[in-house]
Amino acid sequence: GQNIDQPTEMTATEGAIVQINCTYQTSGFNGLFWYQQHAGEAPTFLSYNVLDGLEEKGRFSSFLSRSKGYSYLLLKELQMKDSASYLCAVKGGDYKLSFGAGTTVTVRA
Amino acid sequence: DTAVSQTPKYLVTQMGNDKSIKCEQNLGHDTMYWYKQDSKKFLKIMFSYNNKELIINETVPNRFSPKSPDKAHLNLHINSLELGDSAVYFCASSQGLGDSATDTQYFGPGTRLTVL
Repeated sequence: GQNIDQPTEMTATEGAIVQINCTYQTSGFNGLFWYQQHAGEAPTFLSYNVLDGLEEKGRFSSFLSRSKGYSYLLLKELQMKDSASYLCAVKGGDYKLSFGAGTTVTVRA
Repeated sequence: DTAVSQTPKYLVTQMGNDKSIKCEQNLGHDTMYWYKQDSKKFLKIMFSYNNKELIINETVPNRFSPKSPDKAHLNLHINSLELGDSAVYFCASSQGLGDSATDTQYFGPGTRLTVL
């Protein structure tokens, strides 16, 4: 089975930086995804990592270390609209996507 | 020009009833999925279809039956609804079989099912 852990909640101030960690133990590995989910809405794709290292996309960056079973999502220059749940999801050896419970980020003025 | 759409958005019904949720995607994707998101926010895969063929069937009660009339549609029918079926159900689609590491899934807006 898959085991994916991420913190439940994080709070940060507008303009700051927040790092959301995700650790995983899976049967096989075919990539890690980060999704953003606003309350009552659909998850939307943010980033994908399959090789070790940092992927940067504007204010959002995602890092992966396969040997450590670890990823983080970095949100820079936080805006109020970034208040949402951030889901870490791992595609295992069977290519099924398994999700963590999500990290609720609250951005305060 | 919604990519993945679901109807209805909200569904409130009594225990024991039978209900259906519909999903359509206009992305030209070959694979569609149903996920259940419970009160603890875990998203769990239920079913996956590729070109109308069932390829993923997780441990789901057989009261749940997916139907794919064509590759752009995947409906979910639930018989004899139970209290524990209350959740948000998300439809998703992806370009390929999901057997590519880079195959990204795109989600519909969700259907909030409440069983009374």
